[in-house]
Amino acid sequence: DQQVKQNSPSLSVQEGRISILNCDYTNSMFDYFLWYKKYPAEGPTFLISISSIKDKNEDGRFTVFLNKSAKHLSLHIVPSQPGDSAVYFCAAYGRGTSYGKLTFGQGTILTVHP
Amino acid sequence: EAGVAQSPRYKIIEKRQSVAFWCNPISGHATLYWYQQILGQGPKLLIQFQNNGVVDDSQLPKDRFSAERLKGVDSTLKIQPAKLEDSAVYLCASSHRGLASGNTGELFFGEGSRLTVL
Repeated sequence: DQQVKQNSPSLSVQEGRISILNCDYTNSMFDYFLWYKKYPAEGPTFLISISSIKDKNEDGRFTVFLNKSAKHLSLHIVPSQPGDSAVYFCAAYGRGTSYGKLTFGQGTILTVHP
Repeated sequence: EAGVAQSPRYKIIEKRQSVAFWCNPISGHATLYWYQQILGQGPKLLIQFQNNGVVDDSQLPKDRFSAERLKGVDSTLKIQPAKLEDSAVYLCASSHRGLASGNTGELFFGEGSRLTVL
């Protein structure tokens, strides 16, 4: 039962252009969403998050959009840089439960070409 | 501030052998998580500790996997006997508190322990 899905295994973008990574979820109890970034041989690192009471959150070049009715979120990176090349994981959890459980998507490999 | 430490980084074993992974979380972090990441998939939670108590182990294959967190600090994840499908990266993560209301959900991950079962 894949509650968080990233349907694009990979994305290739030219340096300076926009990268858009997509994520869909099925569990309506999820009310907090995060993006993690992972370089090879390293653990995932937190990138940006959004609460279900918002539809947009920005942090520098990174913006996350949430469409609750469609159960869809996306991560925009503008402008994309070669150092952004990594695996990006979407994750979600429901804060209403005592401790919650972070559920991850399968990941999207982003490659930014110089 | 030191990050989450894990060892060993790599381990190769034969099926039916046993293996143990060690994790030292960030100092002061009460919550510790073990995730399994199979190649091409996202991390999957195996077990979550709050201090030295288990909060969630619903996805831990308890017939072969065990984990403990003595004194609420370091943790050990053991697999005995290992199967081919256990080949994965085992990620340890910690957070100051669990993912309760008001928390950001930011977990701090270690570099992982890559297990290959032959």
